Amino acid sequence: EAGVAQSPRYKIIEKRQSVAFWCNPISGHATLYWYQQILGQGPKLLIQFQNNGVVDDSQLPKDRFSAERLKGVDSTLKIQPAKLEDSAVYLCASSLVGVLPTDTQYFGPGTRLTVL
Amino acid sequence: DQQVKQNSPSLSVQEGRISILNCDYTNSMFDYFLWYKKYPAEGPTFLISISSIKDKNEDGRFTVFLNKSAKHLSLHIVPSQPGDSAVYFCAASARYNNDMRFGAGTRLTVKP
Repeated sequence: EAGVAQSPRYKIIEKRQSVAFWCNPISGHATLYWYQQILGQGPKLLIQFQNNGVVDDSQLPKDRFSAERLKGVDSTLKIQPAKLEDSAVYLCASSLVGVLPTDTQYFGPGTRLTVL
Repeated sequence: DQQVKQNSPSLSVQEGRISILNCDYTNSMFDYFLWYKKYPAEGPTFLISISSIKDKNEDGRFTVFLNKSAKHLSLHIVPSQPGDSAVYFCAASARYNNDMRFGAGTRLTVKP
């Protein structure tokens, strides 16, 4: 079974530029998550989708971050414009249902973003 | 707000010995706890979990202990193997929402 796919793996941009990350969850998984992991910290949930609807985006900086999950499968996360403090690894995860915490989340390898 | 804390950034143990990784939490609403393992350049992978109705859960060499009164959990690995060398994240969530909070991680090194 293929895992969660993410691209690109690495991205370097100048501050104030825009960037987009792509995620393809495990086939059949209804719930998709985007996390931000800053160096030396644990992953922090940015947004959670159930199929193509947003369940939780309370920690998403909506002035610069946006995410969509068209057709309830792939998802993109965009930052526009980027700031230095956005340098982090962006992790995508998916789970089969996602209603309960007991539903295991499977993570992709992440995209490492460096903002100069 | 650091609701889940792993106060030891790193731990080094000898192969064959026990590894004990610790985690503390502050939110009394948390009732489900997980440990994830992360190798370099890979995403975290689920290792073991425990519900608040239990105080111990065992899976092979891995055992998680939960002390609700102290808001503390620990992961025991016995015996430790070099392949266990990784970063271990503690995570917690509440039944009412699926917002999982992670600790900062502990880097475990198992020396041959």
